[in-house]
Amino acid sequence: KNEVEQSPQNLTAQEGEFITINCSYSVGISALHWLQQHPGGGIVSLFMLSSGKKKHGRLIATINIQEKHSSLHITASHPRDSAVYICAVSRLGGGSEKLVFGKGTKLTVNP
Amino acid sequence: NAGVTQTPKFRILKIGQSMTLQCAQDMNHNYMYWYRQDPGMGLKLIYYSVGAGITDKGEVPNGYNVSRSTTEDFPLRLELAAPSQTSVYFCASSYSPRGSYGYTFGSGTRLTVV
Repeated sequence: KNEVEQSPQNLTAQEGEFITINCSYSVGISALHWLQQHPGGGIVSLFMLSSGKKKHGRLIATINIQEKHSSLHITASHPRDSAVYICAVSRLGGGSEKLVFGKGTKLTVNP
Repeated sequence: NAGVTQTPKFRILKIGQSMTLQCAQDMNHNYMYWYRQDPGMGLKLIYYSVGAGITDKGEVPNGYNVSRSTTEDFPLRLELAAPSQTSVYFCASSYSPRGSYGYTFGSGTRLTVV
């Protein structure tokens, strides 16, 4: 079983819909990251979470440390949000430099 | 700022050939990483560095070598290329070990070994 599991694997939405992508992990972590991989392949950091909730524009990320679960929400989705969203965790203790990645969730937003 | 610059963007190698993937960052980040991304799989850490002169293995280091002689540069060397090394390679850097200020990724190198 992978240490980081994402769901769903693929998600298709209509423009304007509210999107939720889930991430569950099975190890102790010091931080959780959400990344976005554009259709052209480039990867950018969206959020780093160690507790609570963060918001940037139409993106909201939450984490529940006790339940080992995080969600990424996109409000008022737009075709330009189409990308692969990747969850990754920094393990607690030694080796926090070594991110463990989920396989990603491919989001397609249709106009 | 240029961020993280990776070269080349594409390369085809024959089995047994060697090559070096270049990675340079201009943000004075101490932490640098090499990942590979295979279809349908999460990124896997090949090697990482916590500063000039210090490198360590990640999850999948076999068949690769790295060096870190300066803060800016972190080249990845493939010796005796094998078809299993066909992948997309990403270099990344961060200011802190757990990416408190995020990670900056290069644009990737698509490598095919035939």
